[in-house]
Amino acid sequence: DAGVTQSPTHLIKTRGQQVTLRCSPKSGHDTVSWYQQALGQGPQFIFQYYEEEERQRGNFPDRFSGHQFPNYSSELNVNALLLGDSALYLCASSLVKQGADTQYFGPGTRLTVL
Amino acid sequence: SQQGEEDPQALSIQEGENATMNCSYKTSINNLQWYRQNSGRGLVHLILIRSNEREKHSGRLRVTLDTSKKSSSLLITASRAADTASYFCATDRVRGAQKLVFGQGTRLTINP
Repeated sequence: DAGVTQSPTHLIKTRGQQVTLRCSPKSGHDTVSWYQQALGQGPQFIFQYYEEEERQRGNFPDRFSGHQFPNYSSELNVNALLLGDSALYLCASSLVKQGADTQYFGPGTRLTVL
Repeated sequence: SQQGEEDPQALSIQEGENATMNCSYKTSINNLQWYRQNSGRGLVHLILIRSNEREKHSGRLRVTLDTSKKSSSLLITASRAADTASYFCATDRVRGAQKLVFGQGTRLTINP
């Protein structure tokens, strides 16, 4: 049973560029959430996708956008990158249809903005 | 913003000893979950405790929840070197895998 997978593992971009991160949820899961974790901090919620729609959103600017595909995989897009966007981006999946509360995390994508 | 705080921020103990970490939060919750993170990698789910539960066990882990004090503790018994990691508590307010709000974590080091 495959767990949550994310790609790429590492990414280096320069200020002003755009980036796309990808996530495949755990088999059978229907919901994907994205979190940003700055160095030495706890993860911060960006947004959550369910049934291909944004279900909830945290306090992140519109530069952060996402998408969920019919196979439940998801993308996180960040436009006009800033130095402060450097962080570990974590994807988590869950099975909302069955009312499950546990979220399972992937290994993360380390984004460095120069 | 963070929901709450873990205490202590860092903990260093000898292998075989017990480790206790505390978590405080600010608002009412539905669930509280504990996660482990090794060296800036992904989070591993350890245990979930619901707001109507007071204590839960899983292997060497024991979690307590006191909703009147808005606090939780995670006890790891008979620690091992492999337990070296950062531990985070996370809360949600509504049922159905809603957004998790994390604390800043406790960095646990187990010395051989």
